[in-house]
Amino acid sequence: EPEVTQTPSHQVTQMGQEVILRCVPISNHLYFYWYRQILGQKVEFLVSFYNNEISEKSEIFDDQFSVERPDGSNFTLKIRSTKLEDSAMYFCASSEMLAGGETQYFGPGTRLLVL
Amino acid sequence: SQQGEEDPQALSIQEGENATMNCSYKTSINNLQWYRQNSGRGLVHLILIRSNEREKHSGRLRVTLDTSKKSSSLLITASRAADTASYFCVLRDTGRRALTFGSGTRLQVQP
Repeated sequence: EPEVTQTPSHQVTQMGQEVILRCVPISNHLYFYWYRQILGQKVEFLVSFYNNEISEKSEIFDDQFSVERPDGSNFTLKIRSTKLEDSAMYFCASSEMLAGGETQYFGPGTRLLVL
Repeated sequence: SQQGEEDPQALSIQEGENATMNCSYKTSINNLQWYRQNSGRGLVHLILIRSNEREKHSGRLRVTLDTSKKSSSLLITASRAADTASYFCVLRDTGRRALTFGSGTRLQVQP
């Protein structure tokens, strides 16, 4: 069964450094997403991406964040200058376009630790 | 954004027993989804139920939806230790892509 994959599974970085989290969505899906989950807290939406542009973003997704689909398979989340509070599990998800409802399929996540 | 509230927050049962988790929400929905998360790992989609459906089954899972009461329930029958996880009812506001997760129900199935 097709699945969303994410790399790396774990990333440790120093505060102020740039990180790029990578995702390979399910191949026939058209919508892509990033969510994050700070340890012990709820899963929070960051951004959705469709047709090579951001279709929706949350307040969390500020200028420090960017997303890109550099080729036909990868979808990336870049954090320009990491802060301690960016430490979290980051989940990528993808979905088809379906009338009447959709399912977002999540990857296994990247655990980011900012020191 | 609309958020489901799961109840109870935590549930501990013995293997073989049934587990029931409930979700309440405030405004009208097009659909409601249940997801599972094992120990802070990935989120696994379990079931999507549409507003015109009252009940849906998938294996040992049974989901009900009562739009008049704005509530849903997830029943896991004949639970197994591997069902130990957090379960979330997940909503999406009309016209938006973002899914909104609640705090979830932490299910512990004792072997």
